Amino acid sequence: DSGVTQTPKHLITATGQRVTLRCSPRSGDLSVYWYQQSLDQGLQFLIQYYNGEERAKGNILERFSAQQFPDLHSELNLSSLELGDSALYFCASSDLAGAFEQFFGPGTRLTVL
Amino acid sequence: QQQVKQSPQSLIVQKGGISIINCAYENTAFDYFPWYQQFPGKGPALLIAIRPDVSEKKEGRFTISFNKSAKQFSLHIMDSQPGDSATYFCAASTNFGNEKLTFGTGTRLTIIP
Repeated sequence: DSGVTQTPKHLITATGQRVTLRCSPRSGDLSVYWYQQSLDQGLQFLIQYYNGEERAKGNILERFSAQQFPDLHSELNLSSLELGDSALYFCASSDLAGAFEQFFGPGTRLTVL
Repeated sequence: QQQVKQSPQSLIVQKGGISIINCAYENTAFDYFPWYQQFPGKGPALLIAIRPDVSEKKEGRFTISFNKSAKQFSLHIMDSQPGDSATYFCAASTNFGNEKLTFGTGTRLTIIP
């Protein structure tokens, strides 16, 4: 168990809908990363937050957004969903001070029908 | 230039044998190279990581070999066991791991009795 929690574990929705994925980092970790894992694209970095502020952005679609709250949990919002958004979404956390390793959560499997 | 190329895509090794997975990168700014292990339905778990100031790092049965001039690194799993059957991802990052991870495409390792 990495200490990173993600909810929900599975999500099934329809095209055009909006969903919110939630991540709680390890205790004390200030940095949260979101990654998308799909069969055709592999593991791709989406976005990073550090202590509530956006720190880095990857190839994240404009339909996707994220935020990190004062209690350090993070949410990834996916809107106007398309079939191609079906994937595993992982959150990872690190403390960026000393132990820089990124610890991954169990992921949320999103299925868009 | 941000790519990390990983090979082979799949690997079958007999129990007790040595499993070898290779990765190559182009971005010379990368300075942190972790390997992650992923079981079906789980998030990636950090296995071992190396910085370019050393050529080899060993932890138990797992060894990373690093060749800075060739921009290549590899994972060796000694005395491979059926429990090692998983997908392995190499990755690279800058700023000693304090930035996003760029992942290889993964190697599905199967250890047969």
